[in-house]
Amino acid sequence: GAVVSQHPSRVICKSGTSVKIECRSLDFQATTMFWYRQFPKQSLMLMATSNEGSKATYEQGVEKDKFLINHASLTLSTLTVTSAHPEDSSFYICSARAVAGAASSNEQFFGPGTRLTVL
Amino acid sequence: AQSVTQLDSQVPVFEEAPVELRCNYSSSVSVYLFWYVQYPNQGLQLLLKYLSGSTLVKSINGFEAEFNKSQTSFHLRKPSVHISDTAEYFCAVTVSYSGGYQKVTFGTGTKLQVIP
Repeated sequence: GAVVSQHPSRVICKSGTSVKIECRSLDFQATTMFWYRQFPKQSLMLMATSNEGSKATYEQGVEKDKFLINHASLTLSTLTVTSAHPEDSSFYICSARAVAGAASSNEQFFGPGTRLTVL
Repeated sequence: AQSVTQLDSQVPVFEEAPVELRCNYSSSVSVYLFWYVQYPNQGLQLLLKYLSGSTLVKSINGFEAEFNKSQTSFHLRKPSVHISDTAEYFCAVTVSYSGGYQKVTFGTGTKLQVIP
């Protein structure tokens, strides 16, 4: 089946540093990838939608200069949290959608998540 | 815009008892419906989905859900729960728009706690 990986699974960093999280579709090509954020005991909130080769679309309230998204290929999207602060500590989950026309293009496949802790 | 409501934030149930986790949605366009399960400190795992066809969908581990269009519901059920079912369950709705844009909206989650 469709597998999405994320790296790293956990990261601890100092305040003010930048952190890059990778999201890869391992056995399918993903035209679109999505980045979510999950605070403790809460649901997933969509941060942005990234399409391969174009700029990401950010949800209202998400700072695009703070959360840089790059979707350079059909199998890789990266989220960079720039100048991270303790309030950015969260669980970040990506998902990928297969290319349009594929049998599974109506669903998203989720990565295992990345736990970011900013000290 | 679509929305998903999971009224029960926590559901305690004894082992081997039946359980129903409720999910209602609202949308002005056709939707695809999903249930995901999340274990502590892990990502989401797809439990089951409704895309089209039979309104009753089943998972390999005994869960089932029925799409009820008139009631805009997609409740999750299991006739006999196990300790290993203890987890948080998220109902989600996906809407696909013209041009390929797609958005998933999640419910707030229901924590299922199975009591030995």
